[in-house]
Amino acid sequence: QVQLQESGPGLVKPSETLSLTCTVSGGSISSNHWSWFRQPPGKGLEWIAYIYYSGSTNYNPSLQSRVTLSIDTSKSQVSLRLSSVTAADTAVYYCARGDYGSGQIWGQGTLVTVSS
Amino acid sequence: DIQMTQSPSTLSASVGDRVTITCRASQSISYWLAWYQQKPGKAPNLLIYKASSLESGVPSRFSGSGSGTEFTLTISSLQPDDFATYYCQQYHSYSRSFGQGTKVEIK
Repeated sequence: QVQLQESGPGLVKPSETLSLTCTVSGGSISSNHWSWFRQPPGKGLEWIAYIYYSGSTNYNPSLQSRVTLSIDTSKSQVSLRLSSVTAADTAVYYCARGDYGSGQIWGQGTLVTVSS
Repeated sequence: DIQMTQSPSTLSASVGDRVTITCRASQSISYWLAWYQQKPGKAPNLLIYKASSLESGVPSRFSGSGSGTEFTLTISSLQPDDFATYYCQQYHSYSRSFGQGTKVEIK
């Protein structure tokens, strides 16, 4: 079955860029929407953005100026870049597959802490 | 942006109880609503999509209803494995958004 695995640095310094990769296995990255979500410790869920396999994107307006999603179908990977991070960006980051920004299949999540 | 409001924030219930969680949207989202269950330290798990469609593998005691601005998630007979936090999410508007969550606790 389809599995998603997030990877990337667990610690990022303030003002730097957070970069995460979601690797898809057990299924095709094509013909699907791929989203990123996040959840600050002890808080609720927030949708960040989604990308279609064709490369079209949809971003959360509150993060749009700092977020970039990309997709590499040859590697079955979806990447997230979030620039100019602050402590408020500390969260567990999840990637997920699902129609139009919903989450049908999720990765296990990766904790990213923003701290100097 | 569409605001999603869940109620209650916390719910205390016993095994076997019928439980209902409500999610209200600040404007119409048609049926573009999903419900998730999340346990501590785990990723969310999709229960319901398009307001009332049961995700494959999810027990039939879970059901969803509603359209427009008001939606409900019902657990017909609460089981020990169901104690968790539940979130609704709209995926109608340009910006997807979640409710604040409902924690279902043991009474």
